[in-house]
Amino acid sequence: DQQVKQNSPSLSVQEGRISILNCDYTNSMFDYFLWYKKYPAEGPTFLISISSIKDKNEDGRFTVFLNKSAKHLSLHIVPSQPGDSAVYFCAASGGSNYKLTFGKGTLLTVNP
Amino acid sequence: EAQVTQNPRYLITVTGKKLTVTCSQNMNHEYMSWYRQDPGLGLRQIYYSMNVEVTDKGDVPEGYKVSRKEKRNFPLILESPSPNQTSLYFCASSPFSLALNEQFFGPGTRLTVL
Repeated sequence: DQQVKQNSPSLSVQEGRISILNCDYTNSMFDYFLWYKKYPAEGPTFLISISSIKDKNEDGRFTVFLNKSAKHLSLHIVPSQPGDSAVYFCAASGGSNYKLTFGKGTLLTVNP
Repeated sequence: EAQVTQNPRYLITVTGKKLTVTCSQNMNHEYMSWYRQDPGLGLRQIYYSMNVEVTDKGDVPEGYKVSRKEKRNFPLILESPSPNQTSLYFCASSPFSLALNEQFFGPGTRLTVL
């Protein structure tokens, strides 16, 4: 049972435009959400996070939106740059443990 | 330099031959974790540890063991590897207060079990 879903395996965007990566979750116990970015042959790196008490968190070009009622979050990258081309993983945690559940990832390609 | 190191980076082995993948961090982090990454399945957590001698199962612990005898080290042990454990493995660490926030990942270990 996949509790964190990234339904788009890939996304292609033009440089300078907005990239929107989506993530859905099914476990209502999740209360903390994170995005990680991964380049080939490297480990993932933390990008941005959001707690369930918020509906938006911003860090430079990156903004994460959380819609609790829809169990949906999205990552917006504005403006997109070629260096943003990577796999983006959505992750979630919650409840009484410190497990982290990841989605399958979305490959973002930003074309010059 | 603050980092998480894993050894070996690449390993080809045969079914049933016990192996250990080491993970070490130099940031004095309490929280450490192991993940595996497989095509089409994303990252899945195997085991995690909140501190020395405290470990717990992630989503896919079957076939793996871990130990946390020292704060800096968190080895992953495959007692009897099987081909379905062929994967890319990542170790990660973070300060306990940020256990679910900024985890620092190692470079990965690519394991092939024949």
